Amino acid sequence: AAGVIQSPRHLIKEKRETATLKCYPIPRHDTVYWYQQGPGQDPQFLISFYEKMQSDKGSIPDRFSAQQFSDYHSELNMSSLELGDSALYFCASSSGPGRISYEQYFGPGTRLTVT
Amino acid sequence: AQSVAQPEDQVNVAEGNPLTVKCTYSVSGNPYLFWYVQYPNRGLQFLLKYITGDNLVKGSYGFEAEFNKSQTSFHLKKPSALVSDSALYFCAVRDDTGRRALTFGSGTRLQVQP
Repeated sequence: AAGVIQSPRHLIKEKRETATLKCYPIPRHDTVYWYQQGPGQDPQFLISFYEKMQSDKGSIPDRFSAQQFSDYHSELNMSSLELGDSALYFCASSSGPGRISYEQYFGPGTRLTVT
Repeated sequence: AQSVAQPEDQVNVAEGNPLTVKCTYSVSGNPYLFWYVQYPNRGLQFLLKYITGDNLVKGSYGFEAEFNKSQTSFHLKKPSALVSDSALYFCAVRDDTGRRALTFGSGTRLQVQP
């Protein structure tokens, strides 16, 4: 079965640089979530989109922005990177209110290292 | 605000023995509860969920979990542990309002010894 695809899998950036992470949800899933997992930490919710509109916002820094496109893929844009942004970034998808699916399916994650 | 507590950082069990990984939650409204497993350098894999209905839910790989409303708990169980079950386990919760983001516990590392 098709899963959530994230690219790139690994990314190394320097402080103050920008990064763009991409997420391709499971086909026919219309809701995308972004989570950040720091070293030894539990995943923290950043932001979510349903039908290309932001549906919820968590602890996403102002330096980060995200959007969902017409094909339902999503991108997380991160600017002015800081050392503390080094983490594993997960994307998850689920089907929306029209089709009942409570669980979220996670991608393999993008490991971002800021040096 | 919703929260999840996993009181044990690590659980050690011998292969073939039953295992329990504990989880308690706090949420306004009715809880939707989930268990995920994470292997090293991998994403989170969905194991099982409780939405409504029977308090004992069965999931992937022989895992099950028991929802206890009075104790606000959702402990993960397996009758006979395998070495391959060794991984990091996360309990997660959301409520039944519009917000669908998951709140995770701190995770419990399960170590199954041969």
